[in-house]
Amino acid sequence: DSGVTQTPKHLITATGQRVTLRCSPRSGDLSVYWYQQSLDQGLQFLIQYYNGEERAKGNILERFSAQQFPDLHSELNLSSLELGDSALYFCASSVVDRAGEQYFGPGTRLTVT
Amino acid sequence: DQQVKQNSPSLSVQEGRISILNCDYTNSMFDYFLWYKKYPAEGPTFLISISSIKDKNEDGRFTVFLNKSAKHLSLHIVPSQPGDSAVYFCAASDVDYGGSQGNLIFGKGTKLSVKP
Repeated sequence: DSGVTQTPKHLITATGQRVTLRCSPRSGDLSVYWYQQSLDQGLQFLIQYYNGEERAKGNILERFSAQQFPDLHSELNLSSLELGDSALYFCASSVVDRAGEQYFGPGTRLTVT
Repeated sequence: DQQVKQNSPSLSVQEGRISILNCDYTNSMFDYFLWYKKYPAEGPTFLISISSIKDKNEDGRFTVFLNKSAKHLSLHIVPSQPGDSAVYFCAASDVDYGGSQGNLIFGKGTKLSVKP
């Protein structure tokens, strides 16, 4: 158990809808990262927050947004969902905002029908 | 274009033998490298890392080798055990300690099967 929790585990929704994925980092970790893993792709970095502030952006679509709250949990919002958004979404956390080990949650499997 | 490549999608090894997983990268700015192991229905688990100032790092049965001139790293598992069967991801970061970013660039993974 990495100490990172993600809810929900599974999510099935229709195209055009909006969903929110939630992540609680390990106790003491200030940095949260979101990654997407599609069937034919490796883990793709989406966005990073550090202590409530956006720190880095990767391949995140404009339809997606995220935030980190004062209690350090983070939410990833996905809107106007398309079939191609079906994927595993992982959250990871680390103590600092620089290169180092990241600890991953179990992921949320999103299925868009 | 993939910056981190794991060219072998799968690898099968006999229990007790050495497993060698390979990873190539293209970005010369990468200076910190990690290996993660992933079991089905779980998130990736950190295994071992290496900074670009080193060429080898060892942790028990796991050793990572870095060849900067070839932009290549490898993970050696000796001896391999059936419980090592998992998908192994190589990852790289382009900011060393003291920087302000930590996002990782991952390869697509190599599925290791260790047969009893």
